[in-house]
Amino acid sequence: DQQVKQNSPSLSVQEGRISILNCDYTNSMFDYFLWYKKYPAEGPTFLISISSIKDKNEDGRFTVFLNKSAKHLSLHIVPSQPGDSAVYFCAAVSSGGGADGLTFGKGTHLIIQP
Amino acid sequence: EPEVTQTPSHQVTQMGQEVILRCVPISNHLYFYWYRQILGQKVEFLVSFYNNEISEKSEIFDDQFSVERPDGSNFTLKIRSTKLEDSAMYFCASSVGRGAYGYTFGSGTRLTVV
Repeated sequence: DQQVKQNSPSLSVQEGRISILNCDYTNSMFDYFLWYKKYPAEGPTFLISISSIKDKNEDGRFTVFLNKSAKHLSLHIVPSQPGDSAVYFCAAVSSGGGADGLTFGKGTHLIIQP
Repeated sequence: EPEVTQTPSHQVTQMGQEVILRCVPISNHLYFYWYRQILGQKVEFLVSFYNNEISEKSEIFDDQFSVERPDGSNFTLKIRSTKLEDSAMYFCASSVGRGAYGYTFGSGTRLTVV
């Protein structure tokens, strides 16, 4: 039961270009969405989040877009840098529903090429 | 920057043995979590803990698992009788608030059951 789906296991982008990572969800009770970045042998690191009442949130090079009607969100990284190479996880929670636990997608391995 | 600390980084145990994974959350955080990631799979929520009791748990968190905050700083996950399928990376996390807040994850404990 994949409530959060990241359909691209990997993505290769040239340095300086835009990286777009996609995520779809099925549970309409989710009201908060988060992106995490993970390097090998480390825990996930929080990047950026968005509430379901918004459609965009921006933080420096990172922007998250939410399309509630399509149950789709995306993370844009502009410009992409070599240090951005990592696995990116989309996660969601029904915080208004009293949930604590995040539901994660399987992750997308982003590779930034020089 | 404050960190969530997990020990040990790698634990090897025999099937049927009890194992305790340890975590020191960030000191002013109030919510504590355990997640796991089986090799090649997604990060999965196990349990959340608040105010000295379990706040939420997933289907994975059965009677073989227990959590404790024995001394106000440590947060432990105990697996009573380990099975081969318990082999995974176990991540501890903590947050100031519930659900919608970006957690801080530890670097994980790799548990190998042989």
